[in-house]
Amino acid sequence: EPEVTQTPSHQVTQMGQEVILRCVPISNHLYFYWYRQILGQKVEFLVSFYNNEISEKSEIFDDQFSVERPDGSNFTLKIRSTKLEDSAMYFCASSDGQGGYGYTFGSGTRLTVV
Amino acid sequence: AQSVTQLGSHVSVSEGALVLLRCNYSSSVPPYLFWYVQYPNQGLQLLLKYTSAATLVKGINGFEAEFKKSETSFHLTKPSAHMSDAAEYFCALRIQGAQKLVFGQGTRLTINP
Repeated sequence: EPEVTQTPSHQVTQMGQEVILRCVPISNHLYFYWYRQILGQKVEFLVSFYNNEISEKSEIFDDQFSVERPDGSNFTLKIRSTKLEDSAMYFCASSDGQGGYGYTFGSGTRLTVV
Repeated sequence: AQSVTQLGSHVSVSEGALVLLRCNYSSSVPPYLFWYVQYPNQGLQLLLKYTSAATLVKGINGFEAEFKKSETSFHLTKPSAHMSDAAEYFCALRIQGAQKLVFGQGTRLTINP
């Protein structure tokens, strides 16, 4: 079964450093997403991406965040200057955009900011 | 605004017993509803989804859920729990025309031998 692949599985970074989280969505999917889950809290929507642009974003997704699809297979989330409160599990997901679809999620990247 | 509420952050049942995980939603328009399962150190796996067809939805691993509009509920059930069902379960909704999923808080299911 097709999978969404995320790398790395765990990343530790110093506060103020830039991090890039990487994802390879399912190849024929058209919509791409990032979600995060702070430990003990809900899974929260960050951003959706379609046709090479952001289609929707949450209030969490401020100027510190950016997304990119640099080639035909990768989808990245960049955090420019990490804060302690950015520590979370970040999930990438993709979907084919059909009505009533469920997403396919990756296994997540656990980001720890120290 | 849409929201999802899962009643009970922890549910514990005996092996072989009925599993019932509760989910209520709030939405001004008809939603699509989903249940996801998260095993330790893994991603979110789709269990089942309601997309305005049949109100009783069957999913993987013997789980099913019933959409009840009058009760704004989408509770997840399984007739007989298995040890391998121990995981975190998330209810989520998406409204038509929107992209994002709105998640509930999650329910951790523990199975007692």
